[in-house]
Amino acid sequence: ETGVTQTPRHLVMGMTNKKSLKCEQHLGHNAMYWYKQSAKKPLELMFVYNFKEQTENNSVPSRFSPECPNSSHLFLHLHTLQPEDSALYLCASSLNTEAFFGQGTRLTVV
Amino acid sequence: RKEVEQDPGPFNVPEGATVAFNCTYSNSASQSFFWYRQDCRKEPKLLMSVYSSGNEDGRFTAQLNRASQYISLLIRDSKLSDSATYLCVVNEGSGGYNKLIFGAGTRLAVHP
Repeated sequence: ETGVTQTPRHLVMGMTNKKSLKCEQHLGHNAMYWYKQSAKKPLELMFVYNFKEQTENNSVPSRFSPECPNSSHLFLHLHTLQPEDSALYLCASSLNTEAFFGQGTRLTVV
Repeated sequence: RKEVEQDPGPFNVPEGATVAFNCTYSNSASQSFFWYRQDCRKEPKLLMSVYSSGNEDGRFTAQLNRASQYISLLIRDSKLSDSATYLCVVNEGSGGYNKLIFGAGTRLAVHP
């Protein structure tokens, strides 16, 4: 257990659905991240929040919308996704140094 | 040029072997460096931080060469349980902000 919790662990959604992924940490970390990992591909950085402010958007399509209401919670809102968006979505948090990951949400878009 | 580059492998080695992984990074202003391990279908987990003076944790030794923008990981006396993908990670953030960039990983398979 790293102290970073993601829900849900698995999600199947249709292309017209709207869903949200949730991440929370109570480690006192000041940075939170969303990464995407597709099958047999490396981790891709999607978004970074530092001190609740979005400091990185790595050219992510607008059908992915992050939200960081406070330093402990991070959401990824999903709408009108495509089948190629099926992947493992990982949340991480850090305090100036190494990052700790949640167990991820395995998303399947049908 | 990729921000963090690693040889994808796979490295297939027998138990007891010594194996070394290399990593290069492009952003010379990067401040901190790490090695992570990722098992199949699991999240990455921190293996060790990498310090300028080099550091060792049991069978694992990490080295950093800032001038060459190069990081290495040495595993001695490989165990079957070391089989995994090893990820090189660079923090490109500055001014108190973090931005962790992962390499694509090097796959290690240790066989009996």
